[in-house]
Amino acid sequence: GAGVSQSPSNKVTEKGKDVELRCDPISGHTALYWYRQSLGQGLEFLIYFQGNSAPDKSGLPSDRFSAERTGGSVSTLTIQRTQQEDSAVYLCASSLNGATDTQYFGPGTRLTVL
Amino acid sequence: RKEVEQDPGPFNVPEGATVAFNCTYSNSASQSFFWYRQDCRKEPKLLMSVYSSGNEDGRFTAQLNRASQYISLLIRDSKLSDSATYLCVVNVNGGFKTIFGAGTRLFVKA
Repeated sequence: GAGVSQSPSNKVTEKGKDVELRCDPISGHTALYWYRQSLGQGLEFLIYFQGNSAPDKSGLPSDRFSAERTGGSVSTLTIQRTQQEDSAVYLCASSLNGATDTQYFGPGTRLTVL
Repeated sequence: RKEVEQDPGPFNVPEGATVAFNCTYSNSASQSFFWYRQDCRKEPKLLMSVYSSGNEDGRFTAQLNRASQYISLLIRDSKLSDSATYLCVVNVNGGFKTIFGAGTRLFVKA
């Protein structure tokens, strides 16, 4: 079946612009996660959704970052007024029920802020 | 102190070698534990879950020591295809937050 998909695969933007990243989880997966990975670094947890609600938003780096999930499916991560340090690969993952389940990752969105 | 710490390596080993990776975590309330594998420029994929009783999957053995807050991964009879970054993963905060270690890089040489 279809895996996790993310769009766009690459995004180049200018400093100060807003960007929206999209994640389509595996159908039927209730849990959805956003991470970012800077070059040569590990994954940094951003946010976790159970259904449409996010119990823990403490991983979002600043108030320029927001995320939402609708219909228990698609999620968008929005970064306002992008900065150069936002450049990274943004990875989305989904799992069937929650934290104890396997997370299946999408291919990521590579964001470059000029 | 990082919530999940791993030796970054790299580990350079010949084919057939046995290699062990270690990981420590700081939150004693951590609930579930995993090893993921990430190939260069690819997304992470689950290698195996880690249980207190220890678990084995072919050439791979994972151990968890809750008292010491320590997780290990043993790879026996290394193959060239095992070359990758191995990520230690811990769920905290009632499972609402997943913390990845920075990863241990493994190179298996012919």
